[in-house]
Amino acid sequence: AQSVTQPDIHITVSEGASLELRCNYSYGATPYLFWYVQSPGQGLQLLLKYFSGDTLVQGIKGFEAEFKRSQSSFNLRKPSVHWSDAAEYFCAVATGGNNDMRFGAGTRLTVKP
Amino acid sequence: DTGVSQDPRHKITKRGQNVTFRCDPISEHNRLYWYRQTLGQGPEFLTYFQNEAQLEKSRLLSDRFSAERPKGSFSTLEIQRTEQGDSAMYLCASSKTTGVLNYGYTFGSGTRLTVV
Repeated sequence: AQSVTQPDIHITVSEGASLELRCNYSYGATPYLFWYVQSPGQGLQLLLKYFSGDTLVQGIKGFEAEFKRSQSSFNLRKPSVHWSDAAEYFCAVATGGNNDMRFGAGTRLTVKP
Repeated sequence: DTGVSQDPRHKITKRGQNVTFRCDPISEHNRLYWYRQTLGQGPEFLTYFQNEAQLEKSRLLSDRFSAERPKGSFSTLEIQRTEQGDSAMYLCASSKTTGVLNYGYTFGSGTRLTVV
C-alpha cells in the first residue's frame, strides 16, 4: 500500500525567506501526488498536483513542487514566504483513480516577522 | 457553486449518544469521500462513494459507523454509541472522476466532534 512521510513536523522561517517542505512517498507504480494546505479549523485546500509529464509543477499562491522518481520525493517550495503562508501542509499520494488518497502527518509552518 | 458544505461545524455529544453529519458535495462531482483527522495527524481515509454506491470502506470504519449517499448527491455519516476515541475532525471531500483520471479532491471545512 502507498504511504507518505513528511520528515519535518514543524518548520519556522522568516518572512521573505525561501521555503522547502519535504515529502517522501512509497508506492510501487507511478503515483499521483498532491500538496494541500490547511489553516486552523479549516478544511484542506489543494495547492498543486502531479499526475504525469513535467516533473516541476506550479501551483497556487506561488508554490511549486518537483517530482523526483529516483528519490521518491515530491518536495514543496516557495521562493519568498509571506506571513499568510503560516499553516499546516500535507503531502498526499494516491493510486490511479484516487480511490484511497493517503496523507502524511503534516508539517506545521510558522512564519517569523 | 459554493464548494463542499458540511453540517454541523461543531458537535459536542455525550458518550453513548448517536450523531449524524451531513455533507453536500459540489454538484457535478460524482465521487464523495469521508476522512477522519485527529489532532496532529493527517486525514485518514474512511470510505468513498461513486454516485450512490459505496465502493470502499477502511478498516477504521467500525460497525458503529455507517455512511449513506441515497441519491448520489448529499451524504450522511452516522456514528452510533459514540466513544471518546471518536473525537476528531470529520472531513468530506468530493471529486470529478473520469475513468482513472481524478482532478483532485475539494474538501469541506469539516465537522469537529467532541465526545464528553
